Amino acid sequence: DAGVTQSPTHLIKTRGQQVTLRCSPKSGHDTVSWYQQALGQGPQFIFQYYEEEERQRGNFPDRFSGHQFPNYSSELNVNALLLGDSALYLCASSTSGPSTDTQYFGPGTRLTVL
Amino acid sequence: DQQVKQNSPSLSVQEGRISILNCDYTNSMFDYFLWYKKYPAEGPTFLISISSIKDKNEDGRFTVFLNKSAKHLSLHIVPSQPGDSAVYFCAASGTGAGSYQLTFGKGTKLSVIP
Repeated sequence: DAGVTQSPTHLIKTRGQQVTLRCSPKSGHDTVSWYQQALGQGPQFIFQYYEEEERQRGNFPDRFSGHQFPNYSSELNVNALLLGDSALYLCASSTSGPSTDTQYFGPGTRLTVL
Repeated sequence: DQQVKQNSPSLSVQEGRISILNCDYTNSMFDYFLWYKKYPAEGPTFLISISSIKDKNEDGRFTVFLNKSAKHLSLHIVPSQPGDSAVYFCAASGTGAGSYQLTFGKGTKLSVIP
């Protein structure tokens, strides 16, 4: 049973560019959340997708956008990259339902912005 | 403001002894708490959770205690093993607005010395 998978593993971009990160949820999960983890910090919630719509959003600018496909996989897009966007981007999947559903994380994509 | 705080950045424990990791929270709307373990270059791995209707939950060597009046929870690992060496994150979710996101602490790096 495959867990949460993310691609690519690492990515290097320059300021002003755009990036797309991809996530496939754990089998049986229909909800995908994205988190940003800066060095020395805990993961910070970006947004959550359910039924192909953004269900909840954290305190991130509109440069961060996402998409969920009918097969529940998801993409995170970041436009106009800034140096401060350098971080580990984590995808987590869960089942729909009450907030007590546990989220399971993928290995992350390490984004470096030069 | 940090709603979930892990005040000890690091902890060293001898193999076979008890490890106690602490976490405090400020948001009284939080009603579900989780602990994740993270190795370098991997995503967080779910360890154990507890609902606010309980004050203790046990799973093998791992026990989580919740003190709602003090807004404090702790993770006990007995006996500690070298493979437990990792960064441990406390996370919380709640009802109402923001109920789908996990709010994380900054983590505690546990080192178990053989």
